[in-house]
Amino acid sequence: DAKTTQPPSMDCAEGRAANLPCNHSTISGNEYVYWYRQIHSQGPQYIIHGLKNNETNEMASLIITEDRKSSTLILPHATLRDTAVYYCIVRYNNDMRFGAGTRLTVKP
Amino acid sequence: KAGVTQTPRYLIKTRGQQVTLSCSPISGHRSVSWYQQTPGQGLQFLFEYFSETQRNKGNFPGRFSGRQFSNSRSEMNVSTLELGDSALYLCASSLAQGYQETQYFGPGTRLLVL
Repeated sequence: DAKTTQPPSMDCAEGRAANLPCNHSTISGNEYVYWYRQIHSQGPQYIIHGLKNNETNEMASLIITEDRKSSTLILPHATLRDTAVYYCIVRYNNDMRFGAGTRLTVKP
Repeated sequence: KAGVTQTPRYLIKTRGQQVTLSCSPISGHRSVSWYQQTPGQGLQFLFEYFSETQRNKGNFPGRFSGRQFSNSRSEMNVSTLELGDSALYLCASSLAQGYQETQYFGPGTRLLVL
């Protein structure tokens, strides 16, 4: 599986957009980009995934660069409840290889 | 639709004992994967079951085993517990096998080995 690189931590003001970057420069053609988040040692929560095109759902948007070497998860209006560790995963096999993730802190 | 459920939620065992954890997938999901999460190693894949067969296995010793029943419910067993087995054990289910299938996680079982 391709490795991902994420900043260890980020802050965001409540109500503002949170943009979480992920670098996956060794991604190959069939590998999907998945995003999960984990709030205070609960089970990881699925957010969104994509292959080539940008994706949007009720939780977030996923922007994947044209060369697919990086992506950005966007939480359009962050709330205090969005404080969590966010994991970017590049997935080919059925198992998922989690990195250290980005600890996002949303501040009032 | 109910989510993935795991029992028990918390467990305390002593070294040398064995433990069995249970996972009930989302209704209709046939694939179940297990993960171990520790502060030092993060989230690590243990194994995956589909149609009652282990399809994929992570890099864990043979003390870690699992099985899946015909109703897709799964159990994992850890024998001869070690202090280092203290962790949050997470179960995830998906409709089928495959990297296109989104995995949905349960709340986890927190195991403490004394």
